Amino acid sequence: DGGITQSPKYLFRKEGQNVTLSCEQNLNHDAMYWYRQDPGQGLRLIYYSQIVNDFQKGDIAEGYSVSREKKESFPLTVTSAQKNPTAFYLCASRPGLAFRDTQYFGPGTRLTVL
Amino acid sequence: DQQVKQNSPSLSVQEGRISILNCDYTNSMFDYFLWYKKYPAEGPTFLISISSIKDKNEDGRFTVFLNKSAKHLSLHIVPSQPGDSAVYFCAAAGGATGFQKLVFGTGTRLLVSP
Repeated sequence: DGGITQSPKYLFRKEGQNVTLSCEQNLNHDAMYWYRQDPGQGLRLIYYSQIVNDFQKGDIAEGYSVSREKKESFPLTVTSAQKNPTAFYLCASRPGLAFRDTQYFGPGTRLTVL
Repeated sequence: DQQVKQNSPSLSVQEGRISILNCDYTNSMFDYFLWYKKYPAEGPTFLISISSIKDKNEDGRFTVFLNKSAKHLSLHIVPSQPGDSAVYFCAAAGGATGFQKLVFGTGTRLLVSP
């Protein structure tokens, strides 16, 4: 089945530790995105990548890092510099950069910092 | 600066009646709008979209209306079903953000009761 997978579904980490969230897609989509969702807030863009080996900061990139070494993979690292890392993290992909290309979302990872 | 606003955090409707979810935007450069539906602990799923050259787009029970002069769009669900109970996000693209990025509203939680 084609789709976007995020693992794990739930993730716990101790304060001060870095953690990497996985995002894989087999849709052959060019663009990939990371969002976070907090209670009562919309989805806020962390990073996005339009092509392999290239990525841009979104609206809330501080404390996060990404890589795009392969078209199908876009892992997100939540570093210890992120002050409020507990959130629901969503990965999305988009076929290309054309107008009307829709973003499709993965199932999400809930990160809790203890 | 919230460019896309959903002022009603929640809406309750009886099964079979119409649900109307509203969304306002401030950036007049936005020219493509989408609605996503999200169940708890899952990723959003694309519902319906509309470009600024249209004022209405229909897909089955779902219709999106766009009023450019008022910078307002709405999603109508007729008839509403209990399975429609979810959080609905509107999103916009275009202008300085281009079509690579979506700007999301904060969401409206719809509850459809039997």
